[in-house]
Amino acid sequence: EDKVVQSPLSLVVHEGDTVTLNCSYEVTNFRSLLWYKQEKKAPTFLFMLTSSGIEKKSGRLSSILDKKELFSILNITATQTGDSAVYLCAGVNNAGNMLTFGGGTRLMVKP
Amino acid sequence: NAGVTQTPKFQVLKTGQSMTLQCAQDMNHNSMYWYRQDPGMGLRLIYYSASEGTTDKGEVPNGYNVSRLNKREFSLRLESAAPSQTSVYFCASSSLRSSGRGNEQFFGPGTRLTVL
Repeated sequence: EDKVVQSPLSLVVHEGDTVTLNCSYEVTNFRSLLWYKQEKKAPTFLFMLTSSGIEKKSGRLSSILDKKELFSILNITATQTGDSAVYLCAGVNNAGNMLTFGGGTRLMVKP
Repeated sequence: NAGVTQTPKFQVLKTGQSMTLQCAQDMNHNSMYWYRQDPGMGLRLIYYSASEGTTDKGEVPNGYNVSRLNKREFSLRLESAAPSQTSVYFCASSSLRSSGRGNEQFFGPGTRLTVL
């Protein structure tokens, strides 16, 4: 059975701090890993990672995948209160039609 | 371009009642999905439809049925609601590519269902 585990479960930081969120996965016929940000409603897409060692960046957010050790990290630098959300990662199987989600990391950024 | 829409936004049912959650997408996506999200459990796949005319069970299909009415619409039905089905339900769609390196899923705003 496919499994995705995220850590920590929750995190409280102050504005300006840097955070690292972790995602480990066991996905049969793994194809890619996705990161989402979920505020009050639907998850919104952040990154898709398919190759090891290639960092994806978007502003203050960056992510990298290690397919040998089966994990990914999401970094957020110079955090802002608007970064407060639940961050979800999901492993995608090779057919591309099944996502297995982790339980999420709840990030709270205090002013 | 509305993306993925879901109705209703909220619903309260009594145990044993039935209802259908509606989902539609206007992005011409082939694949559509239904998830439920419970506190601390992340998103769990109930059913998915890789293309029009096909549906498959996901991780937690018991107590649910689905219909892929056409390419745009994918509905989720609870025939006899139970308190364990109290959850937030998300519909999603994606342009499943047979070649390529994974697929991003676009989510609807969710339906918050309470079963008393």
